[in-house]
Amino acid sequence: EVQLVESGGGLVQPGGSLRLSCAASGLTFRGYWMNWVRQAPGKGLEWVATISSDGSQTYYVDSVKGRFTFSRDNTKNSLYLQMNSLRAEDTAVYYCARETSRRLDYWGQGTLVTVSS
Amino acid sequence: DIVMTQSPDSLAVSLGERATINCKSSQSVLDSSNNKNYLIWYQQKAGQPPKVLIYWASTRESGVPDRFSGSGSGTDFTLTISSLQAEDVAVYYCQQCYGIPPWTFGQGTKVEIK
Repeated sequence: EVQLVESGGGLVQPGGSLRLSCAASGLTFRGYWMNWVRQAPGKGLEWVATISSDGSQTYYVDSVKGRFTFSRDNTKNSLYLQMNSLRAEDTAVYYCARETSRRLDYWGQGTLVTVSS
Repeated sequence: DIVMTQSPDSLAVSLGERATINCKSSQSVLDSSNNKNYLIWYQQKAGQPPKVLIYWASTRESGVPDRFSGSGSGTDFTLTISSLQAEDVAVYYCQQCYGIPPWTFGQGTKVEIK
């Protein structure tokens, strides 16, 4: 069974940094492109970033470019989202999701990031 | 970036009745090289992550009840729930995945029981 478990969320002050992790199991991790999607409280879904199966390609939504870095360690079946210069508008539940034929077919339960002073 | 617009924002449907949600993209998501529309429908129930219902605009994900169907091509798409059940109360999102990222979602449509 595919499982994705996010961790690392919490309360951080504006301008601060946070590193999210996503641990994957039950899948041939190195074979899949992976994504982060976020959802602000009471709002809709927003795609954040994509990483290729070997980590050589990354894509970001414009609002996080230059601030967030998406990486992966295929030896540890793990994803990482380094978030710097955090803003109030980054407050959201962050989900990691597996991509299969462009659809996001498995999602974690999410981790909440709150940016507030 | 491709903008996705759903309508309506919410709808209330009686049990057993049909629910129809529309999604319009600001540019075509049809890949003419393979005739695939890169349009996905998700269902998100309260407190849960989203779940894929339909991909390539009209292909039902494994395990999804056949009362859910998707149609459309190019820029205009529809998700239909043929006979609404209580467990279908949720927010439904369309998402385009045409070409390379950025991917974009519609704003969501909340479906409730009338």
